[in-house]
Amino acid sequence: DAKTTQPPSMDCAEGRAANLPCNHSTISGNEYVYWYRQIHSQGPQYIIHGLKNNETNEMASLIITEDRKSSTLILPHATLRDTAVYYCIVSDRSYKYIFGTGTRLKVLA
Amino acid sequence: DVKVTQSSRYLVKRTGEKVFLECVQDMDHENMFWYRQDPGLGLRLIYFSYDVKMKEKGDIPEGYSVSREKKERFSLILESASTNQTSMYLCASSQGYTGELFFGEGSRLTVL
Repeated sequence: DAKTTQPPSMDCAEGRAANLPCNHSTISGNEYVYWYRQIHSQGPQYIIHGLKNNETNEMASLIITEDRKSSTLILPHATLRDTAVYYCIVSDRSYKYIFGTGTRLKVLA
Repeated sequence: DVKVTQSSRYLVKRTGEKVFLECVQDMDHENMFWYRQDPGLGLRLIYFSYDVKMKEKGDIPEGYSVSREKKERFSLILESASTNQTSMYLCASSQGYTGELFFGEGSRLTVL
């Protein structure tokens, strides 16, 4: 499965958009891009996923580049409760997910 | 509201003890998973199951076994606990090949 590269940490001001990048240059045609987040002391929580097209739901937007080699998760108006570790995963099978160490997002008041 | 429930949030066991970690999901999902999470290593897959009585090894199955006698329940067994199995254990379930994972709250196991 394709590996992903994420920055280890990011800060974002409360109320501003948080843009979390992910590189997945070896992604194959049938692999989806998934995003999860993990708030301290809880299990990871699904946020969004996509294959080729940009996706939006009530939590976030996912922007995938045309060549699919990178993507960006956008939290449009970050709050303190969005402070968490965010994982970007690419896979064509749920049992092949590789959770790396993710990006630790800190939302600042 | 969908739910994955793990039986214990915190456990303390002695080296050599047999340990059972239980997980129940109420979503009628086909797939269930056990991960462990350690600082700096992310989540690593121990075992998964795609049907009742079916199981597949993940990336780090050594020292663990699993049981899935009913669709909703997936148990992780440490036959003889060791100190290097001190970790956070996370259970998850999903439906289909590409379904999103629903995680439980985790079970923090300490082996003394």
